[in-house]
Amino acid sequence: EADIYQTPRYLVIGTGKKITLECSQTMGHDKMYWYQQDPGMELHLIHYSYGVNSTEKGDLSSESTVSRIRTEHFPLTLESARPSHTSQYLCASGDWAEQFFGPGTRLTVL
Amino acid sequence: AQTVTQSQPEMSVQEAETVTLSCTYDTSESDYYLFWYKQPPSRQMILVIRQEAYKQQNATENRFSVNFQKAAKSFSLKISDSQLGDAAMYFCAYRSRNSGNTPLVFGKGTRLSVIA
Repeated sequence: EADIYQTPRYLVIGTGKKITLECSQTMGHDKMYWYQQDPGMELHLIHYSYGVNSTEKGDLSSESTVSRIRTEHFPLTLESARPSHTSQYLCASGDWAEQFFGPGTRLTVL
Repeated sequence: AQTVTQSQPEMSVQEAETVTLSCTYDTSESDYYLFWYKQPPSRQMILVIRQEAYKQQNATENRFSVNFQKAAKSFSLKISDSQLGDAAMYFCAYRSRNSGNTPLVFGKGTRLSVIA
């Protein structure tokens, strides 16, 4: 079992709310990633980081933002949630040879 | 840009039989990693097997093995003696070793069903 954690695991929230999805890893990895995935579908990279104070946008345009102030922590924030944000969000960390995934946060925006 | 193609959206296999999942990729580079990841229903994604492009020998992990054809840019996954627990989404992925910090490139996935 990889040491990468995501909270909350499930979140139901109303439109317009600000939310932060937490991701932490204890493996000391510099590289961390956020993916959006509808159930049973392909992965879409939305943000990644290669170290503290480094963040990049991924392939999928996203209204979310991320920060990387500490190596082990890579939170994702939605300033104003909308129903179109309903999805599963996967966090991952790794090195060149392997990438470990967290259990995911299933977000529903009403 | 590199691309990864999984041409089989869905596959099924009888328990105890063998199944092969296809993956092709496009790259101009010679040094890279290839991966197969498994995502069981409502469970965490895990690495199944990894292949380094400079290694000619095909990687194996217990019942899982790959057929790596570098010239053809093909990287198929063979699952032998299929078990009910093998039912999952399987993603093929590519990472360059030469292009600095680049994320994994994933295929769209193949959903594998195992029939008892």
